Formats: sequence, C-alpha cells, structure tokens
Amino acid sequence: GESVGLHLPTLSVQEGDNSIINCAYSNSASDYFIWYKQESGKGPQFIIDIRSNMDKRQGQRVTVLLNKTVKHLSLQIAATQPGDSAVYFCAENGSGNFNKFYFGSGTKLNVKP
Amino acid sequence: DAGVIQSPRHEVTEMGQEVTLRCKPISGHNSLFWYRQTMMRGLELLIYFNNNVPIDDSGMPEDRFSAKMPNASFSTLKIQPSEPRDSAVYFCASSLTPSSYTFGSGTRLTVV
Repeated sequence: GESVGLHLPTLSVQEGDNSIINCAYSNSASDYFIWYKQESGKGPQFIIDIRSNMDKRQGQRVTVLLNKTVKHLSLQIAATQPGDSAVYFCAENGSGNFNKFYFGSGTKLNVKP
Repeated sequence: DAGVIQSPRHEVTEMGQEVTLRCKPISGHNSLFWYRQTMMRGLELLIYFNNNVPIDDSGMPEDRFSAKMPNASFSTLKIQPSEPRDSAVYFCASSLTPSSYTFGSGTRLTVV
C-alpha cells in the first residue's frame, strides 16, 4: 500500500474545460476512498470521499467515480479554474481500517488561463 | 478553528543532531497521524495515535524515529540522530471521522 512518486504524471487543461484525474488503487479490501488536493507548500486538503457501496458521488464542481471491478477511481472537475492547479492524490483505507490511509503517487494538474 | 498546527515550518540541522517536530491537533479530534512526504516515496504514514495511545507504528523507518502524544492536544516526532536521508516534509494530521481527516501545513526538514 505504499506510494511511489519519482515523476508525477501531469495533466494540462485549459481554463473552463473539464478535468479527469485517474487513480488505480491496490487493495481490493479497501472500502473507503478520499481525494485530496495539495497546493504548493501546503498539506493535502480533503476534497471528496466515497464508500465502496457507491459508484458515484458528487460535490461542488467535483464528481468521484469508483469502479471496484478494475480498482479504479476518477476525479472529475467541472469548469476547471486556475485555482484548481495542484497535485491531486487518491487515498484508500487498505483492509477496512478507517484510520489508516495509503496514498497514490499523485497527479499534477496545470490549468492554463 | 485554527486547524492542525505544526512547528517549526522549516528546520535545517546538521547530521547527527536531534530534531523534534511538534503538532497540535484540532480540538476534539481523537486520532493523530504523522506522515512523511518525499518525491521518491510520496506520502508515507509513519505512526498514528488513537486517544493518545500509539496504535500502529509500523511505518516508522527505524529506531532513530520516535513519537509521543502526552495529551490530546500535543504530539512530537523526534529523530535522533538525524541523517541527510531524513530530509523530507513531515505532516501531522488529525481526525475524528474519516471525512474530517485534516492535515497541517507540514515541517520541511533539511539535514545537511
């Protein structure tokens, strides 16, 4: 469940476009997932969560999709804004422990004005 | 609420010196976590406490690392002696529920 992060994949989008950030998780026993946003010089910030009994959850301008069959999560950001530029991490709780999260390697989102 | 407060924000120390990182969790949160973030390994959970008791320290890299939580409002992560490979950003996080998981701004440690 450890993450590796030598080279962050980068997604560049135009302001106003929709963004889709993908994440493959590792543990089929994970039943709770969180997306975090990390801006430069700051700690990760909670965006949205989803439990394994759901396949979609919507927030404000964000939607998380969960495909347990292929162990895949995605974060969709509608009408991407320059303030959305950050590194985005997905996190899974491993073997059902709600206190212990394993983080993915992250995706850097660049929003071009 | 001021959020999770970490100090110092930056620490530069010489190899072999003792380093102590500090964390004040959000009031009312009963779980506290220490993470380390590097480019090579991403975010790694080092240790977590529940109700001030260490629950899982399997992520602590070696005996040079130790963490304490003497009360519900304070925790420390100590490295003694420090080594250059300990250079990283160390985050503290606290939570009451999974969705309340909140990170501090981190301490950037540089060991020269």
